[in-house]
Amino acid sequence: GAGVSQSPSNKVTEKGKDVELRCDPISGHTALYWYRQRLGQGLEFLIYFQGNSAPDKSGLPSDRFSAERTGESVSTLTIQRTQQEDSAVYLCASSSRQTQAFGSGTRLTVV
Amino acid sequence: SQQGEEDPQALSIQEGENATMNCSYKTSINNLQWYRQNSGRGLVHLILIRSNEREKHSGRLRVTLDTSKKSSSLLITASRAADTASYFCATDATGSARQLTFGSGTQLTVLP
Repeated sequence: GAGVSQSPSNKVTEKGKDVELRCDPISGHTALYWYRQRLGQGLEFLIYFQGNSAPDKSGLPSDRFSAERTGESVSTLTIQRTQQEDSAVYLCASSSRQTQAFGSGTRLTVV
Repeated sequence: SQQGEEDPQALSIQEGENATMNCSYKTSINNLQWYRQNSGRGLVHLILIRSNEREKHSGRLRVTLDTSKKSSSLLITASRAADTASYFCATDATGSARQLTFGSGTQLTVLP
């Protein structure tokens, strides 16, 4: 597609359940980022994929969070045993230069 | 601590007035970027200014960068109601593998 696509756009889940968020980057973009935006706060970096290199996982807040990306295609962010503090908008971005293109995000609500 | 911090946190102006938002950061940067986020939407890239540039224009937007003060400003001239959004600055820090660090944003409201 023309832009970065994320799904689902909204997700409500019960505390303790696992969720999987998906990101389709712009074709040809080698870099892919996941960010989290809590209400009223700035974006927090979570994880960075660059081509086939080992991902930079330094921003993942706990071992309940993991992400995968095969080559330069789709990425999934998985949150296990969700907690209410995980409620946020999760944004994916892809880039081929210095400017990143963002998806519209997945709004996750943990009840 | 936050790399990019915007002020004010909220700004309300009348249509036609100019809006100025400021951003301060702490470390050396390759570039600084401004983004807009409309409610419920993704971030939209507005403008990028490199560390060796001092001022950049794009339509009604004017961005300045002062690396000695580690600060940037975004000026929107002749504001419109459609400019109502949150505005974020993001820094691409030297040696950060192009990982952007965002501030918490300025909520701009333009009243018709």
